[in-house]
Amino acid sequence: EPEVTQTPSHQVTQMGQEVILRCVPISNHLYFYWYRQILGQKVEFLVSFYNNEISEKSEIFDDQFSVERPDGSNFTLKIRSTKLEDSAMYFCASNIAGGGETQYFGPGTRLLVL
Amino acid sequence: SQQGEEDPQALSIQEGENATMNCSYKTSINNLQWYRQNSGRGLVHLILIRSNEREKHSGRLRVTLDTSKKSSSLLITASRAADTASYFCAPVGSSNTGKLIFGQGTTLQVKP
Repeated sequence: EPEVTQTPSHQVTQMGQEVILRCVPISNHLYFYWYRQILGQKVEFLVSFYNNEISEKSEIFDDQFSVERPDGSNFTLKIRSTKLEDSAMYFCASNIAGGGETQYFGPGTRLLVL
Repeated sequence: SQQGEEDPQALSIQEGENATMNCSYKTSINNLQWYRQNSGRGLVHLILIRSNEREKHSGRLRVTLDTSKKSSSLLITASRAADTASYFCAPVGSSNTGKLIFGQGTTLQVKP
């Protein structure tokens, strides 16, 4: 069964450094999402992406964050200058039909900012 | 989009027993989705129930939806230790753009 994959599984970085989290959505999916989960807290929506554009973003998704689909298979989340509070699990998700249909989540990247 | 509120926050049962968790929401929905999250892992979709459906089954899972009460329940029958996880509901409104909003969830512990 097709799966969403994410790399790396773990990333440790120094505060102020740039990180890029990578996701490979399911191949025929058209809608892509990033969520994050700070340890012990809720899963929070960051951004949705369709047709090479951001569809919606949350208040968390400020100018330090950007997303890109650089080719036909990858979907990336970049954090330009990481802060301690960016430490979290980041999940990518995708679906074929958008608009509130089932989303398929990847296993996550655990980001630790020191 | 709106957030569902899961109840109870925590549930501990013995293997073989049934587990019921509930979800309440505030405004009208197009569908309601249930997800499971094993500790430190990604969310796994369990069931999507649409607003015109009252009950849906998938294996040992049964989901009900009462739109008049704005509530849903997830029943896991004959629970197993592997069902130990957090369970979340995500109500989806008709104008939803794809964003899912998750609550704190119900943490289920199934003791062997």
